[in-house]
Amino acid sequence: SAVISQKPSRDICQRGTSLTIQCQVDSQVTMMFWYRQQPGQSLTLIATANQGSEATYESGFVIDKFPISRPNLTFSTLTVSNMSPEDSSIYLCSGAGTGSLEQFFGPGTRLTVL
Amino acid sequence: RKEVEQDPGPFNVPEGATVAFNCTYSNSASQSFFWYRQDCRKEPKLLMSVYSSGNEDGRFTAQLNRASQYISLLIRDSKLSDSATYLCVVNEDFNKFYFGSGTKLNVKP
Repeated sequence: SAVISQKPSRDICQRGTSLTIQCQVDSQVTMMFWYRQQPGQSLTLIATANQGSEATYESGFVIDKFPISRPNLTFSTLTVSNMSPEDSSIYLCSGAGTGSLEQFFGPGTRLTVL
Repeated sequence: RKEVEQDPGPFNVPEGATVAFNCTYSNSASQSFFWYRQDCRKEPKLLMSVYSSGNEDGRFTAQLNRASQYISLLIRDSKLSDSATYLCVVNEDFNKFYFGSGTKLNVKP
């Protein structure tokens, strides 16, 4: 299994600003994903982070709002742009290794937008 | 209609009890299935994958019923430490993962 870390663990941000969340995996993984989890709700997939190319976004999520980078097989960033209080949530990244769909999650970033 | 549906619970059971959760999915072409466990304010952790023939890991048994489009998780001899929310996850394609809303389990002494 992979060990995944995220930074920051939490943040409180002002409306209209942007926050970049970093996700680091301790080993190379084939796939990396970004999820959002609202309080008391389940996880919603935002996008698949593709190494060296544009991320693949799920319905309802767009690149202008959630730009994602993945420069190599162990690192990815998610930016939450032009934030509003509706963006307050927990953001989680996950990775899955070669030939496996079993995902391992980072500890999450708890974002509050005022 | 949601892609994956679970009974939210909570299931309140005494230690030592056997408890079962079901999860239904809408897309018959779904390919892979998983159970995750999530503790309060923590990230989900993989509990087990669900194989077509069913699989067991200690006190935990997972089964898949493709005809009726559901997966199940059975926990035997419940421990206090089993208290958590159990998420079922369905994979429809290479990168299409759908999480259920979770079933909360409370194991009481």
